[in-house]
Amino acid sequence: GQQLNQSPQSMFIQEGEDVSMNCTSSSIFNTWLWYKQDPGEGPVLLIALYKAGELTSNGRLTAQFGITRKDSFLNISASIPSDVGIYFCAGSLGGYQKVTFGTGTKLQVIP
Amino acid sequence: GAVVSQHPSWVICKSGTSVKIECRSLDFQATTMFWYRQFPKQSLMLMATSNEGSKATYEQGVEKDKFLINHASLTLSTLTVTSAHPEDSSFYICSARATGTSGTISYEQYFGPGTRLTVT
Repeated sequence: GQQLNQSPQSMFIQEGEDVSMNCTSSSIFNTWLWYKQDPGEGPVLLIALYKAGELTSNGRLTAQFGITRKDSFLNISASIPSDVGIYFCAGSLGGYQKVTFGTGTKLQVIP
Repeated sequence: GAVVSQHPSWVICKSGTSVKIECRSLDFQATTMFWYRQFPKQSLMLMATSNEGSKATYEQGVEKDKFLINHASLTLSTLTVTSAHPEDSSFYICSARATGTSGTISYEQYFGPGTRLTVT
């Protein structure tokens, strides 16, 4: 089945630093999604990408849909303490197809 | 917009009993709802896809007789864990996909806050 690997698995950064994380797949997707999950909560949708090469921003967050359609990247600029959480990428073949989640990247921000 | 609620937020039950978890889309209609299971420090694993008015589609390895899913309306899906055992203890999360777009609501999945199930 499809597998989505995220890296890094976890990271500690200083407040104010920029963060980059990526997600790679063994097969192509037509839709890439990025979610953030706080402890004990459900994931919250951050950014949705629908076209290969697409670059989309949401505030300090920027995500890109890889040209090969097998990867995606998420960047967070000028991190703040509330950015702490687990970030999941997710892929779908689009339409009403199911979504497959990545392994997650745990982000911790040091004030 | 796009608020999904779950009830209860946490539940403790004895082994052998059944537990029902509700998932509601509060401000949009959802033809499709999804049920996920998440173990500590792990990713979300899709258990089943629930379509309003029809039988749920279960992922491989998920026992449909143990995890009963009912999607009776466009705003409500329920998951019943029957004859629960300690190994069923987990964080169960539902998500709902809107039937159409409106404002900031898109076709993507919106997640509920999750239900923590502990079976003793």
